[in-house]
Amino acid sequence: EIVLTQSPATLSLSPGERATLSCRASQSVSSYLAWYQQKPGQAPRLLISDASNRATGIPARFSGSGSGTDFTLTISSLEPEDFAIYYCQQRSNLITFGQGTRLEIK
Amino acid sequence: EVQLLESGGDFVQPGGSLRLSCAASGFTFSTYAMAWVRQFPGRGLERVSGMSDSGGKIYYADSVKGRFTISRDNSKNTLYLQMNSLRAEDTAVYYCAKASLGSCSSGRCYDFDSWGQGTLVTVSS
Repeated sequence: EIVLTQSPATLSLSPGERATLSCRASQSVSSYLAWYQQKPGQAPRLLISDASNRATGIPARFSGSGSGTDFTLTISSLEPEDFAIYYCQQRSNLITFGQGTRLEIK
Repeated sequence: EVQLLESGGDFVQPGGSLRLSCAASGFTFSTYAMAWVRQFPGRGLERVSGMSDSGGKIYYADSVKGRFTISRDNSKNTLYLQMNSLRAEDTAVYYCAKASLGSCSSGRCYDFDSWGQGTLVTVSS
């Protein structure tokens, strides 16, 4: 099973700041990595697929990068609605999820 | 607009059974794989079970093999999960999720581009 490790567990930032979230895979997943956003009481929402492709309706401030084992989700300038939990998910070999990064208001 | 509406979650004693349903609309149901993904109280996510578009390919997490059965009725645009011999560790919110593809192929699978609102399953004595 491919293990995804997300860091940091919690990230405290202010609106307007840049957020950088990391996801590391235990073995190469090529570019088959997605990012999801989950707000309290809601289901996860797909943000990024295949490492860098924004899903429909996702604002341009969200971007993804990386390949192989190291991936990054960047939010260029945080809006109040961006404070949530973010998960990565690989689809290279079956499906596994990371444990999540909580993005909280500083 | 894609809509996935789960039902069937409940409070059940260990050893009991539940059947979850997911009514889908807004897309051609028969051309996409579907899955059940659960979220534990500690917020971890696990794909419990998945089924390909035609129903020919099925996946179960090791933790539920032999206890859970996934099925779909493409004529009714509905996905099901029959859960038997429930355990306390099955307690979670169960989401119905639409895959981005019709099936996994050579181990390579899919993302989930739409999710239902979730249904809570609580297993406790």
